[in-house]
Amino acid sequence: KAGVTQTPRYLIKTRGQQVTLSCSPISGHRSVSWYQQTPGQGLQFLFEYFSETQRNKGNFPGRFSGRQFSNSRSEMNVSTLELGDSALYLCASSQDAGTAYGYTFGSGTRLTVV
Amino acid sequence: DQQVKQNSPSLSVQEGRISILNCDYTNSMFDYFLWYKKYPAEGPTFLISISSIKDKNEDGRFTVFLNKSAKHLSLHIVPSQPGDSAVYFCAASEYPGNTGKLIFGQGTTLQVKP
Repeated sequence: KAGVTQTPRYLIKTRGQQVTLSCSPISGHRSVSWYQQTPGQGLQFLFEYFSETQRNKGNFPGRFSGRQFSNSRSEMNVSTLELGDSALYLCASSQDAGTAYGYTFGSGTRLTVV
Repeated sequence: DQQVKQNSPSLSVQEGRISILNCDYTNSMFDYFLWYKKYPAEGPTFLISISSIKDKNEDGRFTVFLNKSAKHLSLHIVPSQPGDSAVYFCAASEYPGNTGKLIFGQGTTLQVKP
């Protein structure tokens, strides 16, 4: 059973550009959540999608957006990149929105903004 | 406002002994708690979880204890093995089986010495 796949693994962008990250959940999983991990702030929740609908959103500016497709794959977009957006972006999937099942994380996309 | 706190940034334990990782929380609405292990350059791996209706959950060498009155949980690893060396995160969810939003602590780096 394939795990959660995130692409690309590494990305270098210039300040002011925009970026799109992709996440393919485990087959059958309908909930996809996104997190940002930085040394100073730890793992912070960005948003969660379930059946193509955003159900929950963290405290991030509107430059951070996402969407989920009918096959449950999800994309995250960051516009007008800032140096502080440099981080490891992780997505996690669950077969339901159930913490009882735990969430399976991908290996992440390391974004560097220069 | 950090709702989930892991006050010990690091812990060093001898192989075969018990490792005890601690986590405190402030939000009394948290209803589900999880522990994750993370190796460098990988996403967090789900270890074990506990619902607020329980005070203990075991899975092999891993046991999680929950003290709701003290808003404290701990992860016990017995016996500790060198392969357990990693960063351990506790996480909490406000609603059971819902929302996909996990609040993470800052992590504790466990080193198990052979």
